[in-house]
Amino acid sequence: AQKVTQAQTEISVVEKEDVTLDCVYETRDTTYYLFWYKQPPSGELVFLIRRNSFDEQNEISGRYSWNFQKSTSSFNFTITASQVVDSAVYFCALTHMEYGNKLVFGAGTILRVKS
Amino acid sequence: DSGVTQTPKHLITATGQRVTLRCSPRSGDLSVYWYQQSLDQGLQFLIQYYNGEERAKGNILERFSAQQFPDLHSELNLSSLELGDSALYFCASSPSYGTTDPYEQYFGPGTRLTVT
Repeated sequence: AQKVTQAQTEISVVEKEDVTLDCVYETRDTTYYLFWYKQPPSGELVFLIRRNSFDEQNEISGRYSWNFQKSTSSFNFTITASQVVDSAVYFCALTHMEYGNKLVFGAGTILRVKS
Repeated sequence: DSGVTQTPKHLITATGQRVTLRCSPRSGDLSVYWYQQSLDQGLQFLIQYYNGEERAKGNILERFSAQQFPDLHSELNLSSLELGDSALYFCASSPSYGTTDPYEQYFGPGTRLTVT
């Protein structure tokens, strides 16, 4: 079975601080895909990144970076120099083709960035 | 804007009633997924359609059903509504299914259902 754990329920930081959101996953499959989505207060789900299990290169996009480590089954997300607009709920998700591409989501981490 | 549209945005109805939620996928996307987001269950997959056919099912209640039409829009029907069905219902679309590289799913803005 597939499972995603986001142990941090809520994180509060002050603007300009760096923050890392943890994601640990479980799967018996060798081919899988990991995702991060952002849900701002307005409610929509915004796609941030997709990573397949064969690509362990870390990725950086502006202030966002992702650290994928198969050895620890983790796919952590770091926001550098956080801003108030980063306040949202962040979801990590997992899928595999065998499951029809359905996404299995973690419980989400609420990030509050204070000015 | 993801390109996925959902109507209505909000829906308030009473227990025992039936409602229909509508979703139009991004242009060219063949797959449609329905997810439910509730406070106690989190974000859960309900059902997937690909080019008009059901392809995968999650923990969808028997009171719920869905279909995808020839123009690829999809409808989620919820009947005999209970208070616990109050949730945010998302539709997502993606262009491929079962290929070597599942594309990211783009989510619509959601329909917030309140059952009173």
